Amino acid sequence: AQKVTQAQTEISVVEKEDVTLDCVYETRDTTYYLFWYKQPPSGELVFLIRRNSFDEQNEISGRYSWNFQKSTSSFNFTITASQVVDSAVYFCALSSDNYGQNFVFGPGTRLSVLP
Amino acid sequence: NAGVTQTPKFRILKIGQSMTLQCTQDMNHNYMYWYRQDPGMGLKLIYYSVGAGITDKGEVPNGYNVSRSTTEDFPLRLELAAPSQTSVYFCASSFPPGTGPDSPLHFGNGTRLTVT
Repeated sequence: AQKVTQAQTEISVVEKEDVTLDCVYETRDTTYYLFWYKQPPSGELVFLIRRNSFDEQNEISGRYSWNFQKSTSSFNFTITASQVVDSAVYFCALSSDNYGQNFVFGPGTRLSVLP
Repeated sequence: NAGVTQTPKFRILKIGQSMTLQCTQDMNHNYMYWYRQDPGMGLKLIYYSVGAGITDKGEVPNGYNVSRSTTEDFPLRLELAAPSQTSVYFCASSFPPGTGPDSPLHFGNGTRLTVT
């Protein structure tokens, strides 16, 4: 079975602080894909990043960075110098070719960035 | 290019009523999905389809039915609505994982359904 755990239910930070959202996954597949999605208060789901299991290189996109570590089955997401507009629920998700094309989502972490 | 379009945006049903949530995509994606998101929770897969004429159950299929007669459309049918089906429903589509930049899920804006 596949599973995604996001242990942090809610996080509050003050604007300009750095914050890391944790994601731990479980899968028996050797080929799999990890994703982060953002759900702002307006409710839509916005794709942020995809990483495949063969690419452990960390990625940076502006204030966002992702740390993928297969040794610990983690795919953590860091926001540097957080802003109020970063307030949202963030979902980590896992998919693989051998699991019926099912994207398994974590329960989400609600991030509140206070001014 | 509209992406994934869901209708309606909101709906209130009485217990026992039926309805169909519509979903259409114009990206020629093979795969389509229906998820539900209960308040404060993550997304749970109801049904998915890997192509026209092929559907399969997800994690929480009871009380729902789907069909996939065309690549573009993937309607979700609720029969005999129950309060437990109060949720936000998201339709999504994608190419198969690993086929390129379009392999992430593309979501519609959701349908907020209340059953009373």
